[in-house]
Amino acid sequence: GDSVTQMEGPVTLSEEAFLTINCTYTATGYPSLFWYVQYPGEGLQLLLKATKADDKGSNKGFEATYRKETTSFHLEKGSVQVSDSAVYFCALSAQGGSEKLVFGKGTKLTVNP
Amino acid sequence: GAGVSQSPSNKVTEKGKDVELRCDPISGHTALYWYRQSLGQGLEFLIYFQGNSAPDKSGLPSDRFSAERTGGSVSTLTIQRTQQEDSAVYLCASRSRLAGYNEQFFGPGTRLTVL
Repeated sequence: GDSVTQMEGPVTLSEEAFLTINCTYTATGYPSLFWYVQYPGEGLQLLLKATKADDKGSNKGFEATYRKETTSFHLEKGSVQVSDSAVYFCALSAQGGSEKLVFGKGTKLTVNP
Repeated sequence: GAGVSQSPSNKVTEKGKDVELRCDPISGHTALYWYRQSLGQGLEFLIYFQGNSAPDKSGLPSDRFSAERTGGSVSTLTIQRTQQEDSAVYLCASRSRLAGYNEQFFGPGTRLTVL
């Protein structure tokens, strides 16, 4: 079945450091890809998405590019802030049917001042 | 407008008891999902409702789990004869089914602890 693998961390960075969280997937067909974020004490929310190959999703300074040839969707940010401390989940959904989300295990990011 | 709401926010129960968890989706959203977030298994899909169609129950872990959605709106997830491994945060999400991409909006979750 479909699956998502992401680096589990935890990841600890200093403010203004560069962030990469790796994510690869296994799926039949052409899934849509997502990054969700869960800030401390808050619910899960969509950070960015890409629905076809070579699409780049971006939001709040974060970016990820849908790479079909490497089945990857790595999350990057050029300069992290303390407020980016959260748990990040990579996810996919197959097109059609329920379009349920299949999540990676999550990566906890802590950014220190 | 109001987001997805879930109740209770926390539930502590004894092993063997039945529990009911409630989800109120965003008004007008016809699709509703239940997921479970646990330390061991991460975030897992449980069940999906879309309008009057038969639900996709493929993620339910055992026959102790069931869910219903009344009137195409509120949904209840029921766990019978709870076990300690059922301890988790149960998340509900809803989305519209308009043409094009539609985001799933998540509720705050119900934290279930089985003693």
